[in-house]
Amino acid sequence: DAGVIQSPRHEVTEMGQEVTLRCKPISGHNSLFWYRQTMMRGLELLIYFNNNVPIDDSGMPEDRFSAKMPNASFSTLKIQPSEPRDSAVYFCASSPGGGDEQYFGPGTRLTVT
Amino acid sequence: AQSVTQLDSQVPVFEEAPVELRCNYSSSVSVYLFWYVQYPNQGLQLLLKYLSGSTLVESINGFEAEFNKSQTSFHLRKPSVHISDTAEYFCAVILVGYQKVTFGTGTKLQVIP
Repeated sequence: DAGVIQSPRHEVTEMGQEVTLRCKPISGHNSLFWYRQTMMRGLELLIYFNNNVPIDDSGMPEDRFSAKMPNASFSTLKIQPSEPRDSAVYFCASSPGGGDEQYFGPGTRLTVT
Repeated sequence: AQSVTQLDSQVPVFEEAPVELRCNYSSSVSVYLFWYVQYPNQGLQLLLKYLSGSTLVESINGFEAEFNKSQTSFHLRKPSVHISDTAEYFCAVILVGYQKVTFGTGTKLQVIP
């Protein structure tokens, strides 16, 4: 298996623009997680899905952030409008479920100018 | 709710010296415990995990961690570190029966030649 796939790997955009990050989890995994990592705040869980259903979105910073999982093999994290403070590395991770380990993607480094 | 504390944000150690990275957790119910490692510009990857059974768990590259229920700790140790062990290490906990992971703030291990 290719592992968790994220795209793009790097994104540079201007403040106010819409940004969409994409994730393809490992086939057969039931859970998908979106994280944000910054120097100041460390690793933060934004939202996670189980069987394509959002379970906990309490970590989503504000209404500018939204996430979808239309099917078991694809998820998106959208920021609209983007702000400079959204600059971070965004990770997607998937898990077989049942409290097992998570498999992380390589991350998307987002820079908002 | 569970929490994870990594007391040391940075640990410098000379090559071939032993190291211990500390992790304490707080939970009123049973937990699964994990250590993840993050190399520069990469996602997190599992180093080792404790689910049940023997309280001492080992990784393939010489790290070990011991689950101590009375002290609510899961410290990570290696008797002799290598330059290649330079990375950031995250302790994580999952409540048994749940999927949401709580990560510690990470410890940066710097191995000095």
